[in-house]
Amino acid sequence: SQTIHQWPATLVQPVGSPLSLECTVEGTSNPNLYWYRQAAGRGLQLLFYSVGIGQISSEVPQNLSASRPQDRQFILSSKKLLLSDSGFYLCAWSGLAGGDTGELFFGEGSRLTVL
Amino acid sequence: SQKIEQNSEALNIQEGKTATLTCNYTNYSPAYLQWYRQDPGRGPVFLLLIRENEKEKRKERLKVTFDTTLKQSLFHITASQPADSATYLCALDISAGNMLTFGGGTRLMVKP
Repeated sequence: SQTIHQWPATLVQPVGSPLSLECTVEGTSNPNLYWYRQAAGRGLQLLFYSVGIGQISSEVPQNLSASRPQDRQFILSSKKLLLSDSGFYLCAWSGLAGGDTGELFFGEGSRLTVL
Repeated sequence: SQKIEQNSEALNIQEGKTATLTCNYTNYSPAYLQWYRQDPGRGPVFLLLIRENEKEKRKERLKVTFDTTLKQSLFHITASQPADSATYLCALDISAGNMLTFGGGTRLMVKP
C-alpha cells in the first residue's frame, strides 16, 4: 500500500533562518507531488506541484522553493524565512496524470512557526 | 478570478440529525468536484468525488449532489455522530491539470 511521510512535524524558526521540509512517498512510482500551505483558520493554498523529477511548477510567487531530486521525494525550502511563512504545510501525492480525477493523499503536515 | 466558497461559520447540529454543507463556485465549469475531511492538526482525507454528469453520489451515510447550473455542491451526512465533527473541504480542479483548488472549509460540530 502507498504511504506518505512528511517531516519534521513541528518546528519553530527565527526570521531570516533557512527552511527545509521533506516529503517521501512509498509504494507508488511517478506520482504527482504537491506542497500546500494552510494558514490558521484558512483553506489550503497550492504552493508547488511536480509531475516528475526536476519538474517543478510554482503557483504562488514567494520566497519559498521546491525541489524533486528523486521520483518519490519532494522538498520545500527557503533561504530566509519571513513571519508570513508561518503555517501548516502539507505534502500530497496523486497517482494520475493531469486531466484526470486523481484524489489527493496528504501527509500529516508540518507546522511551522516563524518568530 | 476563480472562487470556491464554503460557509466559514461553524455548523452546529444535534446528533442524529442530517448535516448539510454547501460549496459554491464561480467562473468555472469543473469536470468533477471532491470533498475531503480534515481533523485538527491533520492532513485532509478524501471522502467523495462527483463528476459533472452525476447529479448525486452516495457512500454509506454521506451524500453529495452537484448542480452545474447553480454551480453548487451539497454535502450531506445523515444520522450524524459526534465523531463526524471535523472541517469539511470541497475542491475543484480549475486548471484541467490535476491541481486541486480548495474552498476554505466548513467546521461541523455534532453535539451528543
